[in-house]
Amino acid sequence: TQLLEQSPQFLSIQEGENLTVYCNSSSVFSSLQWYRQEPGEGPVLLVTVVTGGEVKKLKRLTFQFGDARKDSSLHITAAQPGDTGLYLCASPRWPGGGADGLTFGKGTHLIIQP
Amino acid sequence: DAGVIQSPRHEVTEMGQEVTLRCKPISGHDYLFWYRQTMMRGLELLIYFNNNVPIDDSGMPEDRFSAKMPNASFSTLKIQPSEPRDSAVYFCASSFRTGGTGELFFGEGSRLTVL
Repeated sequence: TQLLEQSPQFLSIQEGENLTVYCNSSSVFSSLQWYRQEPGEGPVLLVTVVTGGEVKKLKRLTFQFGDARKDSSLHITAAQPGDTGLYLCASPRWPGGGADGLTFGKGTHLIIQP
Repeated sequence: DAGVIQSPRHEVTEMGQEVTLRCKPISGHDYLFWYRQTMMRGLELLIYFNNNVPIDDSGMPEDRFSAKMPNASFSTLKIQPSEPRDSAVYFCASSFRTGGTGELFFGEGSRLTVL
């Protein structure tokens, strides 16, 4: 199965700053998803990337999939307190993909201070 | 539409007691997953069902854990007997196979504390 490493594990910054968090694997991803989890809630899907080099934007969030499909990054511009949460990357458990469950990284705990 | 519904939201029990967690997936979804989340290990897949049939239970920690899905709208995860190391947040998630993206829709979780 895929093993996903996320960094940093914890990040606390001031409102208005920019930040980038990372997700890496030694294996090639068939696809990769980013989820955000707020306290007391389940993870919610933000985006899915499939093609190497792909860039997707969701308001102030920019997601990039590495050319070799072994890494991904999430960049937040002008962070706001509402961005606070646990950011998780996930990929299909098996290289071929499919709906057989996802493997998750341990996540980046992000705190945006007013 | 209603999302994935889990109960109870919180459960505090003593070591040795039986715990039953419940899940109602999103109507029309044909996959159901049980995950466990801890700070140390993150989200771990315990078991998943396809069309009510258990497909892979290799993530179930030991025989004390069991899961059933008697119909398309209900699943249970049972721990008997419970131990303090079972304390975690247990999530149920469902999905519909759409082009193999495997997007999961999670419930709000059941926080289990075993004393």
